[in-house]
Amino acid sequence: AQTVTQSQPEMSVQEAETVTLSCTYDTSENNYYLFWYKQPPSRQMILVIRQEAYKQQNATENRFSVNFQKAAKSFSLKISDSQLGDTAMYFCAFSTNAGKSTFGDGTTLTVKP
Amino acid sequence: DSGVTQTPKHLITATGQRVTLRCSPRSGDLSVYWYQQSLDQGLQFLIQYYNGEERAKGNILERFSAQQFPDLHSELNLSSLELGDSALYFCASSVTKGQYTGELFFGEGSRLTVL
Repeated sequence: AQTVTQSQPEMSVQEAETVTLSCTYDTSENNYYLFWYKQPPSRQMILVIRQEAYKQQNATENRFSVNFQKAAKSFSLKISDSQLGDTAMYFCAFSTNAGKSTFGDGTTLTVKP
Repeated sequence: DSGVTQTPKHLITATGQRVTLRCSPRSGDLSVYWYQQSLDQGLQFLIQYYNGEERAKGNILERFSAQQFPDLHSELNLSSLELGDSALYFCASSVTKGQYTGELFFGEGSRLTVL
C-alpha cells in the first residue's frame, strides 16, 4: 500500500521569502507520479506541479520547484518569492499507473505581509 | 475550469435524510473518484470507478454508495445522514489509459450541511 506523509501541519513565511514544504512517501512501485496540489480558501483543488518518477530532473513551474529524491522517497516543494496568494493548504499526492491516488494530510501555508 | 462538473454546489438537509451528489467528468476521462473533506481536514478517499466498474474502495461508509453510468457520469448517494457527514465532497476524474498522466482534475465540490 502507498502512504504519503506531510510532517508539517502548518507553516508560515514572510512575503517575498522562500519556503519548503516536506513530503515523504512509501511505495514498492517503480513507475509512478508525484504531485503537489494547492487548495486556497475557495477550496478549489489546483495542480501546482507534477513529477514523473522516471525523470531525474526536478520539475519547475515558475516560482514553484521540487526536490525529488527517489531513493529517499522524498518530494519537497519549494516556493520562491512567496506571494499572499500562495496562502493555501498544500497536498502532496502519489499516483500509480493503475490510477490509484494517495494524498497526504496537507500543510497549511500562511504567507504574511 | 477543470472540466469536471459537480451538482449541487451546496446542500442543506436534516439528519436521517438521503441525498445524491452528481459528477460529470472531463470529456474523455474514464475514471471518477470521490473524496470527502471535513472542515480543515485532509482528503478522505471514498471510491473510484473506471468505465462503469468499481476500481478501488476507500473509507466509504455502508450508508454511502456510488455508481458510474454508461455516459460516465457518477452519483454518490448518502443515506441516513448524520451530523458528522457534513463535509465538502469532491469528485475528480482522470484519463486512466492512453494519455494517462496521473493527474486528477477536481470539480468545485458539493458542500453538504446536515442539521
